[in-house]
Amino acid sequence: ELKVEQNPLFLSMQEGKNYTIYCNYSTTSDRLYWYRQDPGKSLESLFVLLSNGAVKQEGRLMASLDTKARLSTLHITAAVHDLSATYFCAVVLKNTGNQFYFGTGTSLTVIP
Amino acid sequence: DAGVIQSPRHEVTEMGQEVTLRCKPISGHDYLFWYRQTMMRGLELLIYFNNNVPIDDSGMPEDRFSAKMPNASFSTLKIQPSEPRDSAVYFCASKDSVASPLHFGNGTRLTVT
Repeated sequence: ELKVEQNPLFLSMQEGKNYTIYCNYSTTSDRLYWYRQDPGKSLESLFVLLSNGAVKQEGRLMASLDTKARLSTLHITAAVHDLSATYFCAVVLKNTGNQFYFGTGTSLTVIP
Repeated sequence: DAGVIQSPRHEVTEMGQEVTLRCKPISGHDYLFWYRQTMMRGLELLIYFNNNVPIDDSGMPEDRFSAKMPNASFSTLKIQPSEPRDSAVYFCASKDSVASPLHFGNGTRLTVT
């Protein structure tokens, strides 16, 4: 079974600071997804990373994928309060199609 | 596009009662997934369908849980009889192509007393 680990689990950061969330997975994969979940809400898709070296950016968030290291990062630049949420990565096993394995989530709080 | 629609949003029931959760996927999406989210276990895949056919139900906890997809626009997840440990948020999600992300509904918060 594919194991997906995120760290940190909890992150409290000040507005304006930069930080990185890490997503490690245990088995070969060629697809990785990042989601955001606000308290009591659904999960919203942020990024789809489909190949080694893929980098996607949206606003203050940038995601990257290193399939050789089995690692994805979600970098936050100059954090603002609106980014406070829980962030999940999800990995799909290579050649299996649709088994999405979710990480434990990183709860981010941005302090003014 | 209305997105994935789930009902009810909240369900409170007593132990032993039957519970039915409903989901309408996004039109044109061939895949439908049922997930359960708890603080202790995170997001767990229960079952998923492709073109209305169940493909993998290995995540269904036990025989008390059953899921159906009678047509491309409707799916149900039934728990009979319900137990307090079934309390969780149940999400339905759908997607179209192999590489596309999951699109989640707003979830059903189930409380079994």
